Amino acid sequence: DGGITQSPKYLFRKEGQNVTLSCEQNLNHDAMYWYRQDPGQGLRLIYYSQIVNDFQKGDIAEGYSVSREKKESFPLTVTSAQKNPTAFYLCASTGTLNTEAFFGQGTRLTVV
Amino acid sequence: DAKTTQPTSMDCAEGRAANLPCNHSTISGNEYVYWYRQIHSQGPQYIIHGLKNNETNEMASLIITEDRKSSTLILPHATLRDTAVYYCIVRVAETSGSRLTFGEGTQLTVNP
Repeated sequence: DGGITQSPKYLFRKEGQNVTLSCEQNLNHDAMYWYRQDPGQGLRLIYYSQIVNDFQKGDIAEGYSVSREKKESFPLTVTSAQKNPTAFYLCASTGTLNTEAFFGQGTRLTVV
Repeated sequence: DAKTTQPTSMDCAEGRAANLPCNHSTISGNEYVYWYRQIHSQGPQYIIHGLKNNETNEMASLIITEDRKSSTLILPHATLRDTAVYYCIVRVAETSGSRLTFGEGTQLTVNP
């Protein structure tokens, strides 16, 4: 079945450590997105990528980095520069034309 | 992408129609209106989208005003499982990977 997979579902890290969140899709979608969601709030765009080897900053890119070496994969690294990394992270992908976005089930990151 | 405004919260009785409004007064001619919903701690789920004409699928109906400055998502017979946050977004769909920005959404609570 085609879909978008995020792993792991829950992630714990110590403060000061970098951590990479995985996002993989087998939908042959060109575009992929990363969002952050804090309790009781909407989705905020971190980074997005329209094609392989290209990506753009979203609204809250500081303290995060991404890569897009393969069409299927768009990993997000939460660096130690991110002041408040504990949050729910969602990955999405879209195809061309007026197709809807597909979302992963999210990774809940807790930094202690 | 044009911004949207939605009420923060709404209530609906089980079995009745839920009508969720969305204002997008700065929408461009090539931007589509999309609706998603998010059940707690899950990834958002696509519901429906449209450009000018009203649309209906197995989940909902979308009514877009003639001037396209606002729209209404209709859940014809709301159930308790429809309790979720509903997001209205607008985006250009003819190009691959246009920026996909979410607002705060409307928390719909369906009451027994």
